[in-house]
Amino acid sequence: DIQMTQSPSSLSASVGDRVTITCRASQSISRYLNWYQQKPGKAPKLLIYAASSLQSGVPSRFSGSGSGTDFTLTISSLQPEDFATYYCQQGYSIPYSFGLGTKLEIK
Amino acid sequence: EVQLVESGGGLVQPGGSLRLSCVASGFTVSSNYMSWVRQAPGKGLEWVSVIYSGGSTYYADSVKDRFTISRDNSKNTLYLQMNSLSGEDTAVYYCARISRDFGWFDPWGQGTLVTVSS
Repeated sequence: DIQMTQSPSSLSASVGDRVTITCRASQSISRYLNWYQQKPGKAPKLLIYAASSLQSGVPSRFSGSGSGTDFTLTISSLQPEDFATYYCQQGYSIPYSFGLGTKLEIK
Repeated sequence: EVQLVESGGGLVQPGGSLRLSCVASGFTVSSNYMSWVRQAPGKGLEWVSVIYSGGSTYYADSVKDRFTISRDNSKNTLYLQMNSLSGEDTAVYYCARISRDFGWFDPWGQGTLVTVSS
């Protein structure tokens, strides 16, 4: 089974900051890496698919990069609505697996 | 509009059973890969099960032999039959469509809460 390790587990930042979240797979997953945003009491929302493709309707301040085992999600300039929990997920093989999440909080 | 709406959650005693439903609109369940994902209170996301368009099914080890994923093509509905429930199954259960290529989940339903307690 593929394990997904996200870091950091939590992060405090201010509006306007540039933020980077990392995700590492326990084996190579090519570009089969997806990112989600989840707000309290809501379902996850797809942000980035195939490592770097921006989902329709998602602001361009979100970007993803990486391949193989190491991936990053970057928010170029934090907005108030971006404070949430972020998850990476591998779609390479079953069982599909998620990282434990990164909680982004207001500083 | 592409949408998923779950139902069927509730309070059930340990050892009991429950069936969750997920009605799709805007697309055909049987032509897509469909999945269940759960989230225990205050915890992260856990993949539970998938059914492929061809009918093949797969499960997480934590639910294998207890849960069954299925679909009703006439009702455009996905199901999750859950048996032998324990407190560890307490969670919000989401249904989601999975992309065939890079395995992303989108859209998601709003979730339905299953609480296993005596």
